[in-house]
Amino acid sequence: SQQGEEDPQALSIQEGENATMNCSYKTSINNLQWYRQNSGRGLVHLILIRSNEREKHSGRLRVTLDTSKKSSSLLITASRAADTASYFCATDEAGSARQLTFGSGTQLTVLP
Amino acid sequence: GAVVSQHPSWVICKSGTSVKIECRSLDFQATTMFWYRQFPKQSLMLMATSNEGSKATYEQGVEKDKFLINHASLTLSTLTVTSAHPEDSSFYICSARDRVSQGNEQFFGPGTRLTVL
Repeated sequence: SQQGEEDPQALSIQEGENATMNCSYKTSINNLQWYRQNSGRGLVHLILIRSNEREKHSGRLRVTLDTSKKSSSLLITASRAADTASYFCATDEAGSARQLTFGSGTQLTVLP
Repeated sequence: GAVVSQHPSWVICKSGTSVKIECRSLDFQATTMFWYRQFPKQSLMLMATSNEGSKATYEQGVEKDKFLINHASLTLSTLTVTSAHPEDSSFYICSARDRVSQGNEQFFGPGTRLTVL
């Protein structure tokens, strides 16, 4: 399955700062999802945004989706050291068997 | 709700042996389960889609005779890595979609780390 691109590949910020990660994909989608993965652990679902939505909020998370540019962004506000993890976007492609295609991921490090 | 478990959480085996990994949906029924593989510092790559009562659909480049998938019930799928070799060492993750809601969200297991010596 094709993977989307995420940037940056790695991001290091101070606690309290905002972190923005971007995801680009290549096909038409039903929805786009963001996941977090702590080192060596499973995935935690963060947020899902449908193809007809442009922005969604959940706590300190803000996701945008621009289907014309085939891109999405994840903003984490007021970051904490506990936010340190890898973040992946995943697309549920239109017309597919509903499997997810994952982006390359962004490694976020929040320094205390 | 919507919990997916995997067993074992880690396994170390000798080259040439077979290893079975179980994926269970604990509080929902899943007609479809997915198996992913993740190498260190890389993203998840879909290996196969497993449908209850039918043969799994494998992604290009994944050997179906090496990675045997059985989805015998609505709550259990197994992945057997046959004749494992060191290059099969990886983090294997399953996910499941709720049969009733058929929603867009997949629920992921905690993963199984396989190390082949």
